[in-house]
Amino acid sequence: GEDVEQSLFLSVREGDSSVINCTYTDSSSTYLYWYKQEPGAGLQLLTYIFSNMDMKQDQRLTVLLNKKDKHLSLRIADTQTGDSAIYFCAESINRDDKIIFGKGTRLHILP
Amino acid sequence: DAMVIQNPRYQVTQFGKPVTLSCSQTLNHNVMYWYQQKSSQAPKLLFHYYDKDFNNEADTPDNFQSRRPNTSFCFLDIRSPGLGDAAMYLCATSRDRQDLRTDTQYFGPGTRLTVL
Repeated sequence: GEDVEQSLFLSVREGDSSVINCTYTDSSSTYLYWYKQEPGAGLQLLTYIFSNMDMKQDQRLTVLLNKKDKHLSLRIADTQTGDSAIYFCAESINRDDKIIFGKGTRLHILP
Repeated sequence: DAMVIQNPRYQVTQFGKPVTLSCSQTLNHNVMYWYQQKSSQAPKLLFHYYDKDFNNEADTPDNFQSRRPNTSFCFLDIRSPGLGDAAMYLCATSRDRQDLRTDTQYFGPGTRLTVL
């Protein structure tokens, strides 16, 4: 079946790194995504990784993919107050025209 | 420069009173999606249009309908809203379906629906 799991909350001190984890179940996933949702706003695509890649880096963001364990992570370096949001992990499946979202991880920044 | 616009941002309706939510896009994208997102839950795809081709998700209730009169506009009609339909409704677009997996989905800001 299709399922994307992620922890619901994460608290990080400003300036530290945040690591948000996600697991998925469908081994035929082709692309995996991280979306950011700020309060009262829609979802913003942060980054995505193709399933044959292990790592992708984009400025402060690093995505790691362990396909064997079906584990995806998003690392945000030097976390800032503006990073406070809900982060959704999502997967697309080769046989289907849709994206499956996790429930989102709420990132809280401590001063 | 808004690309996916949703109106209104907040909508209040009464139990059983039909309501229509609006989405428009300036991207000239072929695909438009409607998602329902309840508090602390993942967005749930209701349906999508590929051009004029309507694709309903199997578990979308009949109470939810959609219209796409042209490329730019897509409407979500809730025929008889129940209390359980109170949620954030997100509209999204993508350039094409063949490249769905690589094409970014652009989301609107959402319409928060309250049912009294």
